[in-house]
Amino acid sequence: DTGVSQNPRHKITKRGQNVTFRCDPISEHNRLYWYRQTLGQGPEFLTYFQNEAQLEKSRLLSDRFSAERPKGSFSTLEIQRTEQGDSAMYLCASSLGSGQETQYFGPGTRLLVL
Amino acid sequence: AQKITQTQPGMFVQEKEAVTLDCTYDTSDPSYGLFWYKQPSSGEMIFLIYQGSYDQQNATEGRYSLNFQKARKSANLVISASQLGDSAMYFCAMRESSDRGSTLGRLYFGRGTQLTVWP
Repeated sequence: DTGVSQNPRHKITKRGQNVTFRCDPISEHNRLYWYRQTLGQGPEFLTYFQNEAQLEKSRLLSDRFSAERPKGSFSTLEIQRTEQGDSAMYLCASSLGSGQETQYFGPGTRLLVL
Repeated sequence: AQKITQTQPGMFVQEKEAVTLDCTYDTSDPSYGLFWYKQPSSGEMIFLIYQGSYDQQNATEGRYSLNFQKARKSANLVISASQLGDSAMYFCAMRESSDRGSTLGRLYFGRGTQLTVWP
C-alpha cells in the first residue's frame, strides 16, 4: 500500500535561492493539493489540481510560487528567490476526485530559509 | 471570520480515559464535510474520521467518534480509552461545496489541539 510521498523531507537553503519540492500522490487519485503549515498553525491551502489542470489557487501563492502537474501524476512546487518567511512545512495531499472524498497527506517537506 | 475554531490549545488525559476535543465551524453552505486529522511530531497528517453535513448519524471509526451538532455548528472529536500513542496534535477541518453541488478543493483547518496522554 503506497501512500503519498514527498521529497525531499527536509531542505535548508539560503535566502534568494530557488527550491523545488516533489509530491507523488496515491496512484489512482486524480486530485492533488498543496498546503503550507507554519509553526503553531493549521495547514493553509495553496493550490490544487484535477489531473493536470490547476483548478484553484490561494492568494497565499505569490508570483514566486509555481506548481505543476504535467502528466497528471506527480506534482512539483517551486519557490523562486526564497525569503525567510517561506520557512514552513509544505504538505501535499491527494484524493480520488469525486464526491466528498477524503484527502490523504504525505509526510511533508520542511523548508528552512537562512 | 475563522471557518474552523478550536478553542483548546492543549488537553491532558490519563491513559484509558475518554477525552473530547472541541471544534466549531462557520459556513453558509448547506453541503459541507468535516474532518479530523492527527499530526504526530513527525509531521504527517493522519486522517481519522469524516462527517458529512447531511449524515443523520454521528460518524464512528474504532475509538474515534464525532459528536456532530449541526444547529450549534460543532463537530467535537471523542477519543475513548486513550492510549499513550494518541499524544499528538489534532486538527479539525472543513470542506465546503459550491452552490452547483460540486465540491471545491480546499480544506480549512483550525489551529489544532495538542493532546497529551499520561500513564
